Amino acid sequence: QKEVEQNSGPLSVPEGAIASLNCTYSDRVSQSFFWYRQYSGKSPELIMSIYSNGDKEDGRFTAQLNKASQYVSLLIRDSQPSDSATYLCAVAEGSYIPTFGRGTSLIVHP
Amino acid sequence: DADVTQTPRNRITKTGKRIMLECSQTKGHDRMYWYRQDPGLGLRLIYYSFDVKDINKGEISDGYSVSRQAQAKFSLSLESAIPNQTALYFCATSDFTGDGDNEQFFGPGTRLTVL
Repeated sequence: QKEVEQNSGPLSVPEGAIASLNCTYSDRVSQSFFWYRQYSGKSPELIMSIYSNGDKEDGRFTAQLNKASQYVSLLIRDSQPSDSATYLCAVAEGSYIPTFGRGTSLIVHP
Repeated sequence: DADVTQTPRNRITKTGKRIMLECSQTKGHDRMYWYRQDPGLGLRLIYYSFDVKDINKGEISDGYSVSRQAQAKFSLSLESAIPNQTALYFCATSDFTGDGDNEQFFGPGTRLTVL
């Protein structure tokens, strides 16, 4: 059974700080990694995808992938209260359907 | 206009009733999915379809059925609703270009309450 693990949180950070969200996965052959943001009662929104080891930056967001250690992380720089949401990690092998983690709740307080 | 739409957005029904949730997309994606989300349990896959002639069960298909009427339409039915099917239901789509990507795009969700 493929597993994707995330700390449920909540992770609480002050406004302007860096929020670090982590995700580990069990399937070593995983090739595609996604981060989704989900506001309460709303649908998941894709914010980052990463396919190769290393860092990928998009604005205030940086995804980091380490396949040898089987973890993927999401850094949010200059965190804003509007970043408060649940962040879902999803992992897929090739064309297979992604497996989702249960998400980490992030609270950014002013 | 939204790329993935779901109807209805909210529904309250009674035990034993038949319910249909509908999903339409304008993204031109071949792949469509139905998920349910319960507090603390994350997203769980109910059914998925990789093209019009392809229907597959997910991890929690019991009590549900689906119909892929066209590339753009994928419906989920609860034949006889029960209270533990109360949840938030999401439709999602994805495209597959052969490069290993499978990014999913979600509809706004349907909040279903079974009394």
